Amino acid sequence: DVKVTQSSRYLVKRTGEKVFLECVQDMDHENMFWYRQDPGLGLRLIYFSYDVKMKEKGDIPEGYSVSREKKERFSLILESASTNQTSMYLCASRKQAGQPQHFGDGTRLSIL
Amino acid sequence: ELKVEQNPLFLSMQEGKNYTIYCNYSTTSDRLYWYRQDPGKSLESLFVLLSNGAVKQEGRLMASLDTKARLSTLHITAAVHDLSATYFCAVDMKGTYKYIFGTGTRLKVLA
Repeated sequence: DVKVTQSSRYLVKRTGEKVFLECVQDMDHENMFWYRQDPGLGLRLIYFSYDVKMKEKGDIPEGYSVSREKKERFSLILESASTNQTSMYLCASRKQAGQPQHFGDGTRLSIL
Repeated sequence: ELKVEQNPLFLSMQEGKNYTIYCNYSTTSDRLYWYRQDPGKSLESLFVLLSNGAVKQEGRLMASLDTKARLSTLHITAAVHDLSATYFCAVDMKGTYKYIFGTGTRLKVLA
């Protein structure tokens, strides 16, 4: 079975901090995604990566950046955390288009 | 801009009843996915629909895709409590790697 592992289940940070969320997948998947999930807004795509060192902006990239130096790891960076970035963050991966995504357990991030 | 809309957003139904969740999308795509999310959990894949007219069934759930109408349905037959969850559809934006989720339908099956 595909395993997508997010480094933290819960995280509390302060406004202005630089925050790193890590995601690792173990099935040699090309595509990886970062979403945030908020009540009433569903899942919104922040960034995705279709291969190593490749990235594209999703619908809400402002305030975030990403890094994919190795195929199995996709990091989401909050450059200067703000309270409106308090949310559930979900990482996902898939082999290629036409395949379903596999999700991690999520990181519930609170910015105080 | 690709929009993916589901309706209803909330659905409360009695055990044993049938119902359908609808997923409309606004641009050309021939790849549609259904996922389930239990409270406090992550998403799990239910169905992948890759062509016009595709139909997939698993237990009491059946999904179909009409690419001409840009519509997918998730039909629930004789609902049971264990089906209570939030259901999402998602669409690949054609020609890109981008992937857009619908708003989700929260289903509650009452005993």
